Amino acid sequence: GAVVSQHPSWVICKSGTSVKIECRSLDFQATTMFWYRQFPKQSLMLMATSNEGSKATYEQGVEKDKFLINHASLTLSTLTVTSAHPEDSSFYICSARDRDTSSYNSPLHFGNGTRLTVT
Amino acid sequence: AQTVTQSQPEMSVQEAETVTLSCTYDTSENNYYLFWYKQPPSRQMILVIRQEAYKQQNATENRFSVNFQKAAKSFSLKISDSQLGDTAMYFCAFMKHGNDMRFGAGTRLTVKP
Repeated sequence: GAVVSQHPSWVICKSGTSVKIECRSLDFQATTMFWYRQFPKQSLMLMATSNEGSKATYEQGVEKDKFLINHASLTLSTLTVTSAHPEDSSFYICSARDRDTSSYNSPLHFGNGTRLTVT
Repeated sequence: AQTVTQSQPEMSVQEAETVTLSCTYDTSENNYYLFWYKQPPSRQMILVIRQEAYKQQNATENRFSVNFQKAAKSFSLKISDSQLGDTAMYFCAFMKHGNDMRFGAGTRLTVKP
């Protein structure tokens, strides 16, 4: 149980185009999803917290107009990288917390990540 | 803000031996949760073990155990009988009550045959 599906697993796009990454909780409902970014050989850095039915909360230094997050349902959150540039190339990982488990101490369930390369 | 520090960028251990990965954190909270995640080359984040701060007893999961020192804000991971499949990046993570998760810089562990 507690599977998070992230799609696509890898994507190559040209500079200036937009890319959408989907994060789905397959067998549970997630009121909150989190988007992380991981550069090579570095840690996961939280980009934003996505709440179902409301605006995402962005971490300091993350451009909300560049990284658009939509959480339209309890099982789907999307991250759109708009007008992508080579410096946006990275590994993006989503995670979700099961709404129906013991909640506050339950660990996050992670997707398999998306490797974005902007040429 | 909470910070998580892993001071060992890389570690290695012989197969079947024991290794300890260090983690310290800084917080003014009293209720929080600590985790160790494993990230193999596939980059999938795999939960290894977790600890609730209000519990004094150290968590144990088979070959994995922690040494949680709340006063010292230390949360080390001990891997016993190391196996080749334990080779991975290990991240220590901190989570406030009902909040997001913050990660340390990671420790790359190599288990040598």
